[in-house]
Amino acid sequence: GAVVSQHPSWVICKSGTSVKIECRSLDFQATTMFWYRQFPKQSLMLMATSNEGSKATYEQGVEKDKFLINHASLTLSTLTVTSAHPEDSSFYICSATVAGGSEQYFGPGTRLTVT
Amino acid sequence: AQTVTQSQPEMSVQEAETVTLSCTYDTSENNYYLFWYKQPPSRQMILVIRQEAYKQQNATENRFSVNFQKAAKSFSLKISDSQLGDTAMYFCAFMKRVVRTGTYKYIFGTGTRLKVLA
Repeated sequence: GAVVSQHPSWVICKSGTSVKIECRSLDFQATTMFWYRQFPKQSLMLMATSNEGSKATYEQGVEKDKFLINHASLTLSTLTVTSAHPEDSSFYICSATVAGGSEQYFGPGTRLTVT
Repeated sequence: AQTVTQSQPEMSVQEAETVTLSCTYDTSENNYYLFWYKQPPSRQMILVIRQEAYKQQNATENRFSVNFQKAAKSFSLKISDSQLGDTAMYFCAFMKRVVRTGTYKYIFGTGTRLKVLA
């Protein structure tokens, strides 16, 4: 149980275009989802926290207009990188928790390459 | 602000031997959770072990155990009988509840890359 999927697993896009990454909880309802960014050989940095049906809470230094997060249902959150640039190339990981739960269940990640 | 420090960027251990990964953290909170996560080359984060701060007993999961020293704010991971499959990046994480939103927030350390040698 507690499986989280991400789609796509790898995406290449051209500079200036937008790309959407989906995060789904497959066998549970996720009231809260988290989006992380991980550069090569570095730690996970929390970008934002999203609760179903409400606006995401962004961490300091994360541009909310560039990284659009939508948590439309209890099983789906999306991260859209708008007007992507090469410096946005990174590994993006989502995680989810159940209502009142403390443990986060992680997705397998999405590798974004902006050319 | 909470911080998590892993002072060992890389470690290696012979197969079947024991290795300890260190983690220290800084917080003024009294109620929190601590975790060790494993990230193999696939990059899927895998929970290794968790510890509630209010519990004095150290958590154990098969070959994995922790030494939780709350006063010293130390949370080390011991891997016994190391196996080749233990080769991975290991992250220590601190989690606390965010009162304003009612959600939980993780803060990760910088990681320790562990290589198990045959």
